[in-house]
This record gives sequence, C-alpha cells and structure tokens, in this order.
Amino acid sequence: GAVVSQHPSRVICKSGTSVKIECRSLDFQATTMFWYRQFPKQSLMLMATSNEGSKATYEQGVEKDKFLINHASLTLSTLTVTSAHPEDSSFYICSARDPSRGEAFFGQGTRLTVV
Amino acid sequence: DAKTTQPPSMDCAEGRAANLPCNHSTISGNEYVYWYRQIHSQGPQYIIHGLKNNETNEMASLIITEDRKSSTLILPHATLRDTAVYYCIVRVAEMDTGRRALTFGSGTRLQVQP
Repeated sequence: GAVVSQHPSRVICKSGTSVKIECRSLDFQATTMFWYRQFPKQSLMLMATSNEGSKATYEQGVEKDKFLINHASLTLSTLTVTSAHPEDSSFYICSARDPSRGEAFFGQGTRLTVV
Repeated sequence: DAKTTQPPSMDCAEGRAANLPCNHSTISGNEYVYWYRQIHSQGPQYIIHGLKNNETNEMASLIITEDRKSSTLILPHATLRDTAVYYCIVRVAEMDTGRRALTFGSGTRLQVQP
C-alpha cells in the first residue's frame, strides 16, 4: 500500500485563488519531504525541500512567497500555491524517504488546473 | 550524483522480457544505482536498487556490470501495466536522514505492445 499519501489528486481553481496540497507519510516519520513539479512530457523538477520545524529550502527560480511550504509535523507537509495563475497548472508530486530504508516514496501526485 | 544516460524510448512485446539499459560511467564507489518508474499521471514508484551485486525482487532484476559503469533493469515478463517511464538514478544511499532529493533525468519511455 501507499506509504506517502497526497491529497487532493486533482484540483481546478480560478486564477488568483490559493490551493493547498497535503503530503502525508503514513507509516514513518519524515523530517524531510520534497516537492516536485512536472509539466507535460517533461521530467520531475525539484521545487523545494521541506524541513520539519524549520524553513523550506527552495530551488533556484522557485518563488518562496508563491509556493508556501509548511512542515509542521513529522508526517505532514503542505504546499500552498498562492495567487494561482494558469501557468502554475502542472502535476505536483511530493516525496519522502523512510529513514530505515534506502528508497524514497512518492505521493500519487496532484493535477492542478488553473482556469 | 553521477550522470546517467538512458535511451529515450523502447518497445517490448507483452510477455517478453524488457531489458532497460543505463550508462553511469562516472559512478563513485559509494553510489548506488536506483530504478524508479512513473506510470502516466501517477507519482514515481520505487523498483529496485543495488550497489555492485545483482539484485532481484518481486518486480524486477538489476544487473550491474563488474566495473559498475552500466546496469540493466530486467522486467522478466512485461505486461501492458508495465508501460511507463523508467528512471535510472545514481546516488549515495542515505539510510539515516534522507535529506537530499532524487534528481530525475529524462528516463526511458517503455511501451509494452500487446
């Protein structure tokens, strides 16, 4: 079964509104989670690293004031896309690694469409 | 993390073995080879990883050459559900903290034909 759960799987919002995406590790604690974005026919691009209890680390070119990340507990990280624009429409994916295992686990992804 | 090179696409007949190659000629001694796949509109799924010995699990086998400069992921009996993009990633394993993200290349788009 899924060990990283992402919600919602699909969301449509109007331009200018904000959307929150949740990422939960189900059977392990994750001090670090990762947020990726994937445009059609492209690979996953890392947006930011979410650190429990501290500020997220953003990749170059990713606006921290637009993509708000909160990692308030060891099992939950949230990504809020603020003032969404049509160009923010994309597939957003979170990931976390179980410290006791070598592999990373990924959420199911969230398809965001901004109209 | 060492750079990897994969063919952009491959076809395989259903029921046959799918052999997906990956070149990683600059791999370091402490770097592992990881394979993930991404089925359309889903998050990536872990398949297998290895350091230098061949590995097998319920999903696939991983064959790593003796010099570790290349590897092959083998799906022994491909099904239509195996149609996906397969990513070969080389990196140091972080069993304790996992504080570094995986970096994805372009991968190989495997199309399993009926």
